[in-house]
Amino acid sequence: EAQVTQNPRYLITVTGKKLTVTCSQNMNHEYMSWYRQDPGLGLRQIYYSMNVEVTDKGDVPEGYKVSRKEKRNFPLILESPSPNQTSLYFCASSYGQSNEQYFGPGTRLTVT
Amino acid sequence: SQQGEEDPQALSIQEGENATMNCSYKTSINNLQWYRQNSGRGLVHLILIRSNEREKHSGRLRVTLDTSKKSSSLLITASRAADTASYFCATDAWSLRASGYSTLTFGKGTMLLVSP
Repeated sequence: EAQVTQNPRYLITVTGKKLTVTCSQNMNHEYMSWYRQDPGLGLRQIYYSMNVEVTDKGDVPEGYKVSRKEKRNFPLILESPSPNQTSLYFCASSYGQSNEQYFGPGTRLTVT
Repeated sequence: SQQGEEDPQALSIQEGENATMNCSYKTSINNLQWYRQNSGRGLVHLILIRSNEREKHSGRLRVTLDTSKKSSSLLITASRAADTASYFCATDAWSLRASGYSTLTFGKGTMLLVSP
């Protein structure tokens, strides 16, 4: 089954404790991206990747890092999480940045 | 900002009625996409309409695009309780940050409630 998976689905952590949210897709998509969704603000893009080893900042990249060492994986790294990074995070992939995006189920992160 | 804005923010209708949601945007686009999100879940792609298209249908969905007014509408006919969800438009336009790339920007969504 074609899908985008994210782990963990729920995470509660404390300020400053490094964490990684994994994202994997099995559709051989070149393009992958991360979004955060906050009430009243909609979805905002954090980082995107056009292909392996090619990443770039989205609209809200501060406090986040990504890597794209393999085509199927695009982890999101929070080196020192802060409470303002409490949010619902989505990973998405597609054949090209202009095409239909396939979204993961979301990761709800709470930073205390 | 090239972000699309949906209108209304919330819509409540009865089963069987039609639901119309609108999206306005500010810059020229390559295409416009509509997505649905059930509460707390990932977004699901509904339909993509290119800038040179004016209307597109998919089942009970009808999307129109008016590039002169920079607006789009999503019509759901004969709505069902299962259509209850948030609906987002997303505009694909050439990036202001990265030359040669386009970016997909989402609006804040319309929350649709369909009552039985």
